[in-house]
Amino acid sequence: GNSVTQMEGPVTLSEEAFLTINCTYTATGYPSLFWYVQYPGEGLQLLLKATKADDKGSNKGFEATYRKETTSFHLEKGSVQVSDSAVYFCALITGGTSYGKLTFGQGTILTVHP
Amino acid sequence: DTAVSQTPKYLVTQMGNDKSIKCEQNLGHDTMYWYKQDSKKFLKIMFSYNNKELIINETVPNRFSPKSPDKAHLNLHINSLELGDSAVYFCASSQDIATNEKLFFGSGTQLSVL
Repeated sequence: GNSVTQMEGPVTLSEEAFLTINCTYTATGYPSLFWYVQYPGEGLQLLLKATKADDKGSNKGFEATYRKETTSFHLEKGSVQVSDSAVYFCALITGGTSYGKLTFGQGTILTVHP
Repeated sequence: DTAVSQTPKYLVTQMGNDKSIKCEQNLGHDTMYWYKQDSKKFLKIMFSYNNKELIINETVPNRFSPKSPDKAHLNLHINSLELGDSAVYFCASSQDIATNEKLFFGSGTQLSVL
């Protein structure tokens, strides 16, 4: 079956620090990969996505590159802000018997201090 | 207008009770979902409906019964609540089953079973 593993949190950074949140996956077939973000008190929202190997997804200064050889999709941002404090979820989707099912990682809590 | 709205936001109840959570989306989407998020932030799909038809039914106790009176609504009824049902329940929608990677989430219902 499909699974997603994220680095353990919580992650605490100072403003303007560099952020990396690791994500690795196992999947049957060729998945599309996503990062979702959940701000306090809200539902999840799509942050970025990549649908094939070597694609780079980017949004709001965040980037992630689909690495098929290492089955990874690490999230990076060069300079975090206090407003980036949230829970970040890596996710994937495939076809076949998993059609329609978005599989999420366990989430990584990010706290950014001024 | 909120795109995906669910009520109530908080639900505190005793073991053995029956409760319902309502969800409505005004995006004109065909597909709706229920996800459960546990205390460790793990997010797992429970059900999915496409045009009022059940298409995903994960291994969920039959005490949980989704109902979709029309494609804009997907309600979740839970019978004989147990302590382990305590979690945050998220409703979500997507345009259709083929574009199911971009989910729009409600802000969640925090269920506490005492």
